[in-house]
Amino acid sequence: DIQMTQSPHSLSASLGETVSIECLASEGISNYLAWYQQKPGKSPQLLIYYASSLQDGVPSRFSGSGSGTQYSLKISNMQPEDEGVYYCQQGYKYPPTFGSGTKLEIK
Amino acid sequence: QVQLQQSGAELAKPGSSVKISCKASGYTFTSYYISWIKQTTGQGLEYIGYINTGSGGTNYNEKFKGKATLTVDKSSSTAFMQLSSLTPDDSAVYYCARSDTIAAIPLYYFDYWGQGVMVTVSS
Repeated sequence: DIQMTQSPHSLSASLGETVSIECLASEGISNYLAWYQQKPGKSPQLLIYYASSLQDGVPSRFSGSGSGTQYSLKISNMQPEDEGVYYCQQGYKYPPTFGSGTKLEIK
Repeated sequence: QVQLQQSGAELAKPGSSVKISCKASGYTFTSYYISWIKQTTGQGLEYIGYINTGSGGTNYNEKFKGKATLTVDKSSSTAFMQLSSLTPDDSAVYYCARSDTIAAIPLYYFDYWGQGVMVTVSS
């Protein structure tokens, strides 16, 4: 299975700050990369698919980039509702696999 | 609006089975596949497998073959997952999630998720 390694494990950011979360795949995944946000007690919500396509209804302060094995999620202008755990997930090879998550908190 | 409504929490004894449901609404059920995903604190998110809601065809993650059985009832737009021979390691939150397809090939990203079902296995 493809291993997805996320970094950092956790981070804190001030309101209005820009943050980035990284995801490294154990082999090339041809941009078949999705990002999810999960809040406590809730199910994950899709933010980004195909590495950089914004899911309908997701604020434009979220953006994704990357290629090959390295991908990143950027959150611009951090807002209180952006607190949560963020997961990357590859959809290139079966079975889909997820990163271990990055916990984002307000500083 | 698209909704995936899952059944309630389960408390089961080791060695038993549970069957959890995922009722879809707000879209054409057979136009999307349903996947199942396990979440634990220790192992994170693990993909169990998917069911083709039109044909009933399934594809399981090797790790969950023999553990999970996926079925579907098109008449009620409901997908089911049965977990058998339960052990404490099966204690987790289980999600169903929808994925689109292209030419009957599933796209492995999940745009709508159920609220999750907590399964607790304990004697």
